[in-house]
Amino acid sequence: EADIYQTPRYLVIGTGKKITLECSQTMGHDKMYWYQQDPGMELHLIHYSYGVNSTEKGDLSSESTVSRIRTEHFPLTLESARPSHTSQYLCASSAGGGGKYEQYFGPGTRLTVT
Amino acid sequence: KNQVEQSPQSLIILEGKNCTLQCNYTVSPFSNLRWYKQDTGRGPVSLTIMTFSENTKSNGRYTATLDADTKQSSLHITASQLSDSASYICVVSDRGSTLGRLYFGRGTQLTVWP
Repeated sequence: EADIYQTPRYLVIGTGKKITLECSQTMGHDKMYWYQQDPGMELHLIHYSYGVNSTEKGDLSSESTVSRIRTEHFPLTLESARPSHTSQYLCASSAGGGGKYEQYFGPGTRLTVT
Repeated sequence: KNQVEQSPQSLIILEGKNCTLQCNYTVSPFSNLRWYKQDTGRGPVSLTIMTFSENTKSNGRYTATLDADTKQSSLHITASQLSDSASYICVVSDRGSTLGRLYFGRGTQLTVWP
């Protein structure tokens, strides 16, 4: 079992609210990632980080933002939630990049915006 | 365009039976191929990872094969158990970027009936 945690696991929130999805890992990994996954669809990379103070946008355009102030913490924020943001959000981390290193996934946050 | 295609989309088998899931990819240049198991509402968990030179890799009742020439992989599950019910995701990594981009298939939804 990987030591990567996400909270909350489930969130139902109204349109226009600001939300922050938490992700933390205790493995000391430099690389962290956020993916978005809709039912029956593939995971899409929305943000990644090579280390502290490093953040980049992924393949899928997202209105969310991320920060990396500490190695172990990689929160994702939506300033104004909309129904189109309803999805599952998965956080992952790896010891290195280059595709050679295992990515360990958290349990995910199921977000529903009403 | 780099893609990962999986078949079948869904599969129902009886407990104790064997099954084989397929994955075709067009990702280039190829780095490695992974199979993940994703239980409903959870994050993916790695089953196997294979590099270009590896043809077969086993993890308990799971055996993955890779044909890098035809760009095909399969995951064989032996003596299925109810706990095998999950989505099985094929993931291919390229070596053409520092990030080591991961390309995800949509998964095969396996249901094991008693």
